[in-house]
Amino acid sequence: ETGVTQSPTHLIKTRGQQVTLRCSSQSGHNTVSWYQQALGQGPQFIFQYYREEENGRGNFPPRFSGLQFPNYSSELNVNALELDDSALYLCASSLPLGQRGYEQYFGPGTRLTVT
Amino acid sequence: AQKVTQAQTEISVVEKEDVTLDCVYETRDTTYYLFWYKQPPSGELVFLIRRNSFDEQNEISGRYSWNFQKSTSSFNFTITASQVVDSAVYFCALGNFNKFYFGSGTKLNVKP
Repeated sequence: ETGVTQSPTHLIKTRGQQVTLRCSSQSGHNTVSWYQQALGQGPQFIFQYYREEENGRGNFPPRFSGLQFPNYSSELNVNALELDDSALYLCASSLPLGQRGYEQYFGPGTRLTVT
Repeated sequence: AQKVTQAQTEISVVEKEDVTLDCVYETRDTTYYLFWYKQPPSGELVFLIRRNSFDEQNEISGRYSWNFQKSTSSFNFTITASQVVDSAVYFCALGNFNKFYFGSGTKLNVKP
């Protein structure tokens, strides 16, 4: 186990709704990244948070937003859900660049289904 | 553009065979990191290895070995004497300071 936890495990939402996913990072890790993994594909980088600030973002629209808290836990919020948002959402925690160079440790993921 | 290509979608081998998983990457960055992850059927991604762009030394860890060649932008992964427990999807990934790119993965089936 990596020590990274995510909640909930599974979630079913309706198109147009909003969802919040949560992640607790491994102890001592101050960097959190979020990924979307559609079925049969590789994880797609959504964004990264370091010390409560977003410091990197992939090609995702603004309706994907996040937060990082002082204890380094994090939330991913998705507004106006679309059917294509159905995927496994993965959270990964790590130390920042220069400290063991981004060995990311992943949580088990949240399976989101949008109907 | 940053990109990772894993051309092998699925590979099937018989236990004890050696198998190499290919990874080709594209980046304009001079400093970057390469990774391999394993995703077993349970779904959780497991970190296997990280290399930085300045270290082309190959690495061996038990039955696993990695060959990093900057000249061909490749970071290949070899499993020697494969076992059924090696069956999983393997992802190669490229990272720089604050962005990461995963390949589409190679599904490895090891048959007894």
